[in-house]
Amino acid sequence: AQSVTQLDSHVSVSEGTPVLLRCNYSSSYSPSLFWYVQHPNKGLQLLLKYTSAATLVKGINGFEAEFKKSETSFHLTKPSAHMSDAAEYFCVVSDFVSSNTGKLIFGQGTTLQVKP
Amino acid sequence: DAGVIQSPRHEVTEMGQEVTLRCKPISGHDYLFWYRQTMMRGLELLIYFNNNVPIDDSGMPEDRFSAKMPNASFSTLKIQPSEPRDSAVYFCASSLSGTYSNQPQHFGDGTRLSIL
Repeated sequence: AQSVTQLDSHVSVSEGTPVLLRCNYSSSYSPSLFWYVQHPNKGLQLLLKYTSAATLVKGINGFEAEFKKSETSFHLTKPSAHMSDAAEYFCVVSDFVSSNTGKLIFGQGTTLQVKP
Repeated sequence: DAGVIQSPRHEVTEMGQEVTLRCKPISGHDYLFWYRQTMMRGLELLIYFNNNVPIDDSGMPEDRFSAKMPNASFSTLKIQPSEPRDSAVYFCASSLSGTYSNQPQHFGDGTRLSIL
């Protein structure tokens, strides 16, 4: 079965410093992986997706993630945090194995705090 | 482009009342998903449709919950009778079908439901 684990429930950084949000996945097949962001009182917005093309994926707002099969990781990074990056971030794997329908499996989320 | 539209944004009602949540997916998307988000349980998939047909409703908590999709541009999630433990944020999402489920889901802004 596919699963995803976000290693930190809460990350705090200072504005202008790098961001690292960690995610490990478990999958018997080549997974489709996503990062979503949720701002307060909003729905989830797609940041980026990996679908077996380039292992380094660039997303919106300066975020990127690297797929590392040997480490079963898909960590999200950004060189310089901005106050507007404060939000909840979800690492997600697509459960196509059982249904091939895009059914998503969500991590528990990481709250990113950005201090001035 | 118009995204996924949910209504109402907020709903406060008394225990025992019927509640109906509405969703308009993105035009052309053939998958529609209903989720529930709470602090305790995170994001839970309740049910999803493909081409207006319910495919998997195993996440629906009990018979008090029902969902319909009468056409490609409209879906409802109904709770009857409602209970305080149903209080949560309910999200609707839609997506295109794709090879190995690499199509991302697009989320609405959610309905914040409070049952008193």
